[in-house]
Amino acid sequence: GAGVSQTPSNKVTEKGKYVELRCDPISGHTALYWYRQSLGQGPEFLIYFQGTGAADDSGLPNDRFFAVRPEGSVSTLKIQRTERGDSAVYLCASSTSGGRGYTFGSGTRLTVV
Amino acid sequence: GQQLNQSPQSMFIQEGEDVSMNCTSSSIFNTWLWYKQDPGEGPVLLIALYKAGELTSNGRLTAQFGITRKDSFLNISASIPSDVGIYFCAGLTFGNEKLTFGTGTRLTIIP
Repeated sequence: GAGVSQTPSNKVTEKGKYVELRCDPISGHTALYWYRQSLGQGPEFLIYFQGTGAADDSGLPNDRFFAVRPEGSVSTLKIQRTERGDSAVYLCASSTSGGRGYTFGSGTRLTVV
Repeated sequence: GQQLNQSPQSMFIQEGEDVSMNCTSSSIFNTWLWYKQDPGEGPVLLIALYKAGELTSNGRLTAQFGITRKDSFLNISASIPSDVGIYFCAGLTFGNEKLTFGTGTRLTIIP
């Protein structure tokens, strides 16, 4: 597609459940990023992929969070044992030229009840 | 995580007014970016600044990269209704692919 696609757009889950959030980057973009945006805040970095490998995962808050990009295109952010504090908008972005050329998706709004 | 300081936090203006907002950091950045975010959407890049002291325009928008590399400002001239939204600054350092975002400035236009 023309832009970065994220599914689902909204996800409500119960505390303790497992969730997967999907990101389809722009075709040909080798770099893919995940950010988390809490209410009233700016996005915060989670993880960055260059191709299939996680080049920088320093923003993942703890070991309940994991992300994969097995074929260098689609990425999945996985959250185990969800907590209410995980509620936020999870944004994905892709680029060909690093941080300057980011295109963001519309995000997945995750609500943990 | 670290967030850059943006001010003001919110602005209420009338259509046609000029707007000025700024962003400060305790750390040096090599690139400053300004984004706009509409409700339910991801941030969209408005202006990118690559050199200390650089002044760049994009239509009614003008942004400057501070000499100390620790600050930036964004001006919007003759505001129109579609300027409503949240504006974020973001900084990037060499060799580092992750953006550090500001706390945002919410712009509202009063009818």
